[in-house]
Amino acid sequence: GDSVTQTEGLVTLTKGLPVMLNCTYQTTYSPFLFWYVQHLNEAPKLLLKSSTDNKRTEHQGFYATLHKSSSSFHLQKSSVQLSDSALYFCALRANVLYFGSGTKLTVEP
Amino acid sequence: NSKVIQTPRYLVKGQGQKAKMRCIPEKGHPVVFWYQQNKNNEFKFLINFQNQEVLQQIDMTEKRFSAECPSNSPCSLEIQSSEAGDSALYLCASSLSPASAETLYFGSGTRLTVL
Repeated sequence: GDSVTQTEGLVTLTKGLPVMLNCTYQTTYSPFLFWYVQHLNEAPKLLLKSSTDNKRTEHQGFYATLHKSSSSFHLQKSSVQLSDSALYFCALRANVLYFGSGTKLTVEP
Repeated sequence: NSKVIQTPRYLVKGQGQKAKMRCIPEKGHPVVFWYQQNKNNEFKFLINFQNQEVLQQIDMTEKRFSAECPSNSPCSLEIQSSEAGDSALYLCASSLSPASAETLYFGSGTRLTVL
């Protein structure tokens, strides 16, 4: 069936360092992948989405590339800020949106 | 700010009580989803609608959950007899179409606490 795996539950980094949050997926359909960010007590908001193989997509300093060969859509940022502290969810859209278990990113001063 | 409006923001019920929450989707979005986000932040799909018709729903075998999206009224999700395990954040999302490429836009949720 359709599923998404995020391997890191918690990531803690110092401001200014790079980050990569892992996301792999399984689907029998043509994949549409999304990254959502959820700040405390707020709605999940779209950060990035892609369905194009090997094409980098960017938004607000975050970027990701869908690699169909490895079924991956890892999220990266070259320099994290304090305001990036939040929950990050990778999601696969098949008939419904399937979410990974989420990664809580904490950025320290 | 989210254009999907969910009310109430917080809901506290005793076990066995009914719990009802509402959602107004973003204007022009005919597709509505309900998700449950538990205390471990895991998402569980519950049901989705296109206009007033159910597209998909989980097997609510206990039949305690019901949902509708009537014409010209907010969508709603109701738990007939709340249980402690129902305590969670209930998120509503809307979309332009059921197509895979379409983004889901989420409301801020209704946080249900069942005492």
